[in-house]
Amino acid sequence: DADVTQTPRNRITKTGKRIMLECSQTKGHDRMYWYRQDPGLGLQLIYYSFDVKDINKGEISDGYSVSRQAQAKFSLSLESAIPNQTALYFCATSDAKGGTDTQYFGPGTRLTVL
Amino acid sequence: GIQVEQSPPDLILQEGANSTLRCNFSDSVNNLQWFHQNPWGQLINLFYIPSGTKQNGRLSATTVATERYSLLYISSSQTTDSGVYFCAVVRLTDSWGKLQFGAGTQVVVTP
Repeated sequence: DADVTQTPRNRITKTGKRIMLECSQTKGHDRMYWYRQDPGLGLQLIYYSFDVKDINKGEISDGYSVSRQAQAKFSLSLESAIPNQTALYFCATSDAKGGTDTQYFGPGTRLTVL
Repeated sequence: GIQVEQSPPDLILQEGANSTLRCNFSDSVNNLQWFHQNPWGQLINLFYIPSGTKQNGRLSATTVATERYSLLYISSSQTTDSGVYFCAVVRLTDSWGKLQFGAGTQVVVTP
C-alpha cells in the first residue's frame, strides 16, 4: 500500500552493527506494527504501538527496540545485529476507529546480516 | 494462542482453472484478513472478512465464523495470481488487534 512506506528497502550489514528501519504512513492511523517474516513462513509480531505514548512488545521482541516519533512514524532498531535476524521486515498500520481494524502493510525491508 | 491452519500448503494450477484455499482457526475471531504476497514480497490486502461473503473481481471469500473457517476462491486463475496467500485472524478475546498469521498457501499458476 503506497500510503505506508519503509526505508531502506534492502540492507546488507555485518554482525554487531546497529541498524534502524523506518516506517512512515500517511493514512492517519493511530496503530502501527512491526513484523518479521522468515523464508517460507508467516509473519511474527515484533512490536506494536497504539499511539505515540503506547508501545508494547510482541511475540519476538528480544534483540529489537522501537521508537514512535510521531503518529505517522515508527522506527525499528536492531541494537547489535546477528545473522538469524536476516529476514523480511514489514511495517503495518490500522485504524480501530473505523470498526474494522484492517491492517495495511508497507512494501517490506529485506535485511541481510552477514 | 489461537491456531491458524491453511490448506493446501502448495497448489499448482493451469491458467484458467478455479481453486479454493481454506483457513481453519481454533477460536472465535473478530477480525480475519486474506493477503496475497506477490513474488516480489509485497503483501496485498485482499479481504477483511470476519464473517459473511465478499467478492472482488475473480476473487471471493466466505467466512463461517460459527464453524471457524474461511475459504478463498480464485476463479479463472492468471499467472499474476501466483504467490503466497495468507490468512490472518484476531482472536475475539484479544483486547487489541494482534493478527495471527497462518503459514500460507503457495500458489503457482502456469501458462
